[in-house]
Amino acid sequence: EVQVVESGGGLVQPGGSLRLSCAASGLTFSSYAMSWVRQAPGKGLEWVSGISENGGSTYYADFVKGRFTISRDNFKNTLYLQMNSLRAEDTALYYCESAIRHWGQGTLVTVSS
Amino acid sequence: DIVMTQSPDSLAVSLGERATINCKSSQSVLSSSNNQKYLAWFQQKPGQPPKLLIYWASIRESGVPDRFSGSGSETDFTLTISSLQAEDVAVYYCQQYYSSVYSFGQGTKLEIK
Repeated sequence: EVQVVESGGGLVQPGGSLRLSCAASGLTFSSYAMSWVRQAPGKGLEWVSGISENGGSTYYADFVKGRFTISRDNFKNTLYLQMNSLRAEDTALYYCESAIRHWGQGTLVTVSS
Repeated sequence: DIVMTQSPDSLAVSLGERATINCKSSQSVLSSSNNQKYLAWFQQKPGQPPKLLIYWASIRESGVPDRFSGSGSETDFTLTISSLQAEDVAVYYCQQYYSSVYSFGQGTKLEIK
């Protein structure tokens, strides 16, 4: 059974940083592109960032470009999202997803003073 | 970037009746190299992560009831629930994965009339 588990969320002040992690098991991690998707409270889904199978290509939504960095460690079967210069509008539940079909339960990021 | 627009924003349908949700992409999501349409449909219930229903615009994910079907052309797509059941109450999203920068529609809230 495939399991995807996000962690690293929390409360951070505007301008601060957080690093999210996503541990995947039950699949050949290195064979799948991965993405981060977020959902602000009561709002719709927003695709945030994606990374190719070997980590050589990364992609970002315009609203996080230059502030967020996606990476992966295929030896640890783990996906990361380094989030810098956080803003109040980045407050959301952040999901990790694999090949569009495997999703975690999400980790909540709250940006507030 | 590709913009996805769903209609309607909300929909109320009687039990046993047909529900139809539309999704339009700002540019074609049909690949000329493999003739596949890079369009997926997700169902999200409160407090849960999204669940993949349909991929390649018309292929039902394993375990998804056959009352769910997807269709469409290069830019216009439809999710149809042939006979609405109570457990189908949810928000439905389309997503394009043609571009390296994925994007979602704004969501359609489906309720029972």
